[in-house]
Amino acid sequence: DAGVTQSPTHLIKTRGQQVTLRCSPKSGHDTVSWYQQALGQGPQFIFQYYEEEERQRGNFPDRFSGHQFPNYSSELNVNALLLGDSALYLCASSRIDRGRYNEQFFGPGTRLTVL
Amino acid sequence: AQKITQTQPGMFVQEKEAVTLDCTYDTSDPSYGLFWYKQPSSGEMIFLIYQGSYDQQNATEGRYSLNFQKARKSANLVISASQLGDSAMYFCAMREVNTGNQFYFGTGTSLTVIP
Repeated sequence: DAGVTQSPTHLIKTRGQQVTLRCSPKSGHDTVSWYQQALGQGPQFIFQYYEEEERQRGNFPDRFSGHQFPNYSSELNVNALLLGDSALYLCASSRIDRGRYNEQFFGPGTRLTVL
Repeated sequence: AQKITQTQPGMFVQEKEAVTLDCTYDTSDPSYGLFWYKQPSSGEMIFLIYQGSYDQQNATEGRYSLNFQKARKSANLVISASQLGDSAMYFCAMREVNTGNQFYFGTGTSLTVIP
């Protein structure tokens, strides 16, 4: 049973460019959340997708957008990259099941460097 | 106000000894879950243990136990019989049931196990 997978593993971009990160959730999971983890910090919630719609969003600008596909995989897009966008981007999947604690399983992350 | 506070940036423990990592939280939601994750240098977040706000007993998972003190809003992680492989970053996280699946993370504690 494959866990959460993310691609690419590493990415180097320059300021102003656009980037797309990809995530495939764990089998049986229908919800994908994205987090940004700056060096030395805890993960910060970007947004969450369920049923191909953005359900919840953290305190991130509109330059950060996403998409979820019918197979539950997801993309994170960042436009007009800034140096401060350099971070580890983590994808987490879970299964909507009200009453349960909805443990999130994390992928290995994509390390983005903006020069 | 910070949802999750981890006041120990770094901790050292002798191999085979026990160590406690501190976590306090802030929420007005009566229904919430508390999680601990381990993050090795590879970057992937590994789920360790969960405690629900209505759970009467402290959670235990192998060498991990969670010292849950609801009135003090603390959820400390206790690792018994430390092993060299326990050296990693440890993050405390919270999910508020009535505000969706967003996870709030602390800033983490770096644990080093000394042989």
